[in-house]
Amino acid sequence: AQTVTQSQPEMSVQEAETVTLSCTYDTSENNYYLFWYKQPPSRQMILVIRQEAYKQQNATENRFSVNFQKAAKSFSLKISDSQLGDTAMYFCAFTPLPNNDMRFGAGTRLTVKP
Amino acid sequence: DAGITQSPRHKVTETGTPVTLRCHQTENHRYMYWYRQDPGHGLRLIHYSYGVKDTDKGEVSDGYSVSRSKTEDFLLTLESATSSQTSVYFCAIREVEGLGNTIYFGEGSWLTVV
Repeated sequence: AQTVTQSQPEMSVQEAETVTLSCTYDTSENNYYLFWYKQPPSRQMILVIRQEAYKQQNATENRFSVNFQKAAKSFSLKISDSQLGDTAMYFCAFTPLPNNDMRFGAGTRLTVKP
Repeated sequence: DAGITQSPRHKVTETGTPVTLRCHQTENHRYMYWYRQDPGHGLRLIHYSYGVKDTDKGEVSDGYSVSRSKTEDFLLTLESATSSQTSVYFCAIREVEGLGNTIYFGEGSWLTVV
């Protein structure tokens, strides 16, 4: 079975500081995609960043970057210069190819403090 | 904006009644999904569709059925609603072009079964 584990149910960070959210996954597939989604209080699911497993270079989107360790099956999200608007639930997700399923972790609730 | 509209957005229904949630998309995506979100579980796949009249079960399909008679609409039906089906339901599409194999979500439908 393919699973995604987020070991930090809740985290907090001071505004302008850096925080890292952890995610591990379990799969026997070699080709897959990994994602981080943000869910603010509005409950909208917003794509933050994605990573293709065949790419060794870590994905970056402005203040968001990932540390993808394929051998360790680890996919952490780093948020730099945290802003109050980053307060949200963050979900790590995994989808193998060509499978149609996407598996999610249970989420990490991040609070950015002023 | 992936052009996904869910209806109704909020519904309260009684145990034992049938309920249908509708997902409408405007961009001709082939793949559509229904997820439910519950505390501690992240998002779990109920059913998905890979074309008109082509559907398959997901991780938590018991008690649910789906239909897709045209590309733009994917319906989720609870044949006889139970309190355990109180949840937030998200419709999603898979964008194969552009970023490739990225899932985008609708705004969610809040269902309460009393």
